[in-house]
Amino acid sequence: QSVLTQPPSASGTPGQRVIISCSGTSSNIGSNTVNWYQQIPGTAPKLLIYVDNRRPSGVPDRVSGSKSGSSASLAISGLQSDDEADYYCATWDDSLNGWVFGGGTKVTVL
Amino acid sequence: QVHLVQSGAEVRKPGSSVKISCKASGGTFNSYAVSWVRQAPGQGLEWLGGITPISRTSNYAQKFQDRVTINADTSTAYMELTSLTFEDTAVYYCARGLIVGARGLEFWGQGTLVTVSS
Repeated sequence: QSVLTQPPSASGTPGQRVIISCSGTSSNIGSNTVNWYQQIPGTAPKLLIYVDNRRPSGVPDRVSGSKSGSSASLAISGLQSDDEADYYCATWDDSLNGWVFGGGTKVTVL
Repeated sequence: QVHLVQSGAEVRKPGSSVKISCKASGGTFNSYAVSWVRQAPGQGLEWLGGITPISRTSNYAQKFQDRVTINADTSTAYMELTSLTFEDTAVYYCARGLIVGARGLEFWGQGTLVTVSS
């Protein structure tokens, strides 16, 4: 059971927008910044968003992150076939004194 | 941009230990947070522990407190896990923060597969 809650799956057709939610508590998302990662099976997680809504260089602006209270979201617009992957949210938890992750969301492009 | 390169795959017997290295090129571990995260087959990500960016002290997830040791010098981080069981079979990743002095998991190594088998 993951500390952060994500939907197990999400899907969309090419060009559509997909939003993935990540729900936490006041001791984690509510008081710390959130990272989002994309993971293609067999490869290491790739950073998509850090500090809630900042994109590293090389991540397209159709990917965006937001946070409100104890929840965060990742939005992918203009969905493409190579967006098919698992997506994870992560943040620091002040009560556990460590990093916590969501269980991951598998995105399928129909 | 820092690049993290981990040591190769390992096979261990139950009850033994494994030590994995993570070398930074194009950057350093000094003043940055360092963490180790693992992923069991078909499962999600799990944080084992890390080193705080300023005080350079190690802190560990309670689940691994008695079995894991993490340390780092300027260019290489290490993670040792003892008393291995079959459930420790996983890919182990090192990660470093992006911002000096802040917690972070922005840069990741390629992963090291540890297989525990009798």
